[in-house]
Amino acid sequence: DADVTQTPRNRITKTGKRIMLECSQTKGHDRMYWYRQDPGLGLQLIYYSFDVKDINKGEISDGYSVSRQAQAKFSLSLESAIPNQTALYFCATMSSRDTDTQYFGPGTRLTVL
Amino acid sequence: AQSVTQLGSHVSVSEGALVLLRCNYSSSVPPYLFWYVQYPNQGLQLLLKYTTGATLVKGINGFEAEFKKSETSFHLTKPSAHMSDAAEYFCAVSALGYSSASKIIFGSGTRLSIRP
Repeated sequence: DADVTQTPRNRITKTGKRIMLECSQTKGHDRMYWYRQDPGLGLQLIYYSFDVKDINKGEISDGYSVSRQAQAKFSLSLESAIPNQTALYFCATMSSRDTDTQYFGPGTRLTVL
Repeated sequence: AQSVTQLGSHVSVSEGALVLLRCNYSSSVPPYLFWYVQYPNQGLQLLLKYTTGATLVKGINGFEAEFKKSETSFHLTKPSAHMSDAAEYFCAVSALGYSSASKIIFGSGTRLSIRP
């Protein structure tokens, strides 16, 4: 079983809809991250969380919100999706005891029409 | 502040040829440096990393990279390309050795194609 899972893997939605992307991990890591990947731009950090009560904005947080429901779960929400949020979204985890390796989920491909 | 630049968004080599993917970084503190690989329809997987110590680091699948402080570079190489190496490769930098709260900054990626 994968250590970092993301659901859904693919989602097509319409402009203005609320969307939630979920990430779960079984690695026992305290730190979790949400990235967005666009062609030619690499990965951009949306939000990150160092523990359940510590959530921080990344480079491109506008239009997104997050919830850290438990140490193992970190959800990303688009309150009102717009077409330029069409992208590949990755969740990642890292342990504060081993702060030089991030582990990535398989990604969620989101299309906003 | 830190940044990373990958030179060449697409590199194509013949099977059996040398692979060289270029990465330059900027960091005001001693950097931690990473190469990640992304195979089609998959997440990113750590290929290798430099934190401290030996400047030549070896990773999985025969890849290696050398940290050159004077050139602010961390180029990725493999002596002989294999068809299975076709993927996108990301260089990344962080200040995790300076602050455990540092974020990892990714480059824009280089797509490696292998010609038969």
